[in-house]
Amino acid sequence: DAKTTQPTSMDCAEGRAANLPCNHSTISGNEYVYWYRQIHSQGPQYIIHGLKNNETNEMASLIITEDRKSSTLILPHATLRDTAVYYCIVRVIYGGSQGNLIFGKGTKLSVKP
Amino acid sequence: DGGITQSPKYLFRKEGQNVTLSCEQNLNHDAMYWYRQDPGQGLRLIYYSQIVNDFQKGDIAEGYSVSREKKESFPLTVTSAQKNPTAFYLCASRVGPDYEQYFGPGTRLTVT
Repeated sequence: DAKTTQPTSMDCAEGRAANLPCNHSTISGNEYVYWYRQIHSQGPQYIIHGLKNNETNEMASLIITEDRKSSTLILPHATLRDTAVYYCIVRVIYGGSQGNLIFGKGTKLSVKP
Repeated sequence: DGGITQSPKYLFRKEGQNVTLSCEQNLNHDAMYWYRQDPGQGLRLIYYSQIVNDFQKGDIAEGYSVSREKKESFPLTVTSAQKNPTAFYLCASRVGPDYEQYFGPGTRLTVT
């Protein structure tokens, strides 16, 4: 599975959009981009995933560049409860090995009032 | 409510003792996983099971053992052979390898 690079930490004002970047320059054609988040001392929570098209759900939007070498997770109106560590993961879905996820250190997002 | 439960939330043991961490899911998921997380680090895979009565070692299986006798249960035993057992342990499950994982709340194990 391809490696990802994320900033160590970011701040965001409450009510503003939080844009979390992720670089995955070695991504393969059959690898998807996944985002999870982990609130302190809890289990990670799935947010969204995509292959090459932009995706949106009730939690966030995922923007993937045309060359697929980077992506951005957007939380449109960040709240204090969005303070967490956000993990960007790329992995094969179809025909993948054991199906586990490889978590890096992620980005610690702090939403401030 | 459907979900994954891990118990207890906090666990304390003396060095040299084996300890078993519980993981139960009522999501009817086939695959289950155990991860370990150390402070400020990402998650590392210990063991996983794709189906009942079958399991595979992950990246850091030494000092751990598992069983999968029932679909809904995947207990993890931390043995005395594990050199640094103090950590946050997370259990996860998924319908199959093509789907997202759902995580339990975790068990924080402290061994002194």
